Amino acid sequence: GAVVSQHPSRVICKSGTSVKIECRSLDFQATTMFWYRQFPKQSLMLMATSNEGSKATYEQGVEKDKFLINHASLTLSTLTVTSAHPEDSSFYICSAISGGPSGTEQYFGPGTRLTVT
Amino acid sequence: DAKTTQPPSMDCAEGRAANLPCNHSTISGNEYVYWYRQIHSQGPQYIIHGLKNNETNEMASLIITEDRKSSTLILPHATLRDTAVYYCIVMGKLIFGQGTELSVKP
Repeated sequence: GAVVSQHPSRVICKSGTSVKIECRSLDFQATTMFWYRQFPKQSLMLMATSNEGSKATYEQGVEKDKFLINHASLTLSTLTVTSAHPEDSSFYICSAISGGPSGTEQYFGPGTRLTVT
Repeated sequence: DAKTTQPPSMDCAEGRAANLPCNHSTISGNEYVYWYRQIHSQGPQYIIHGLKNNETNEMASLIITEDRKSSTLILPHATLRDTAVYYCIVMGKLIFGQGTELSVKP
């Protein structure tokens, strides 16, 4: 199947700093990418939908000024956690849509573990 | 978006078939059913998807009821490495439910 990568895989940052996470579709072009976060022993929670060349659409309760999303090209979307706080510590996962003949297929990245100290 | 309901946990003996059910009674006619699994601290892995016909690939089989209100993922010969959380999702905005935590035991 298609491959989606994330960088970094793990990051530790101090409270108040900003962290950027990259999501890349390696072997296909993705007009739409999604960002999720997952707390321990919980399911994935959709944060936002990222569309190439336009503003991201955020889910209810997700602060768009805190979680900045940029989808600059058909293979790259970035999530920047601004002024991070310990409660932002989580597992952040991106996914990308690849259109196929039997319906769209969504491929996930390996995730980024963010720890804010 | 259609919601899904799955049992929170299931056990299966190694080598036996694992049958994971999912209810999606509000599914629309053109919405696909997708199955993913997630092993601890990894991104979800695609397993299989279908619209209304049963599907099979090298990983699993997907049985969708005629009214499309439920489906079953079948792992024909479960191994210890199949221990994971399995998510059934209806394509739309791909909202994840709580999934089924499958434990394959020796």
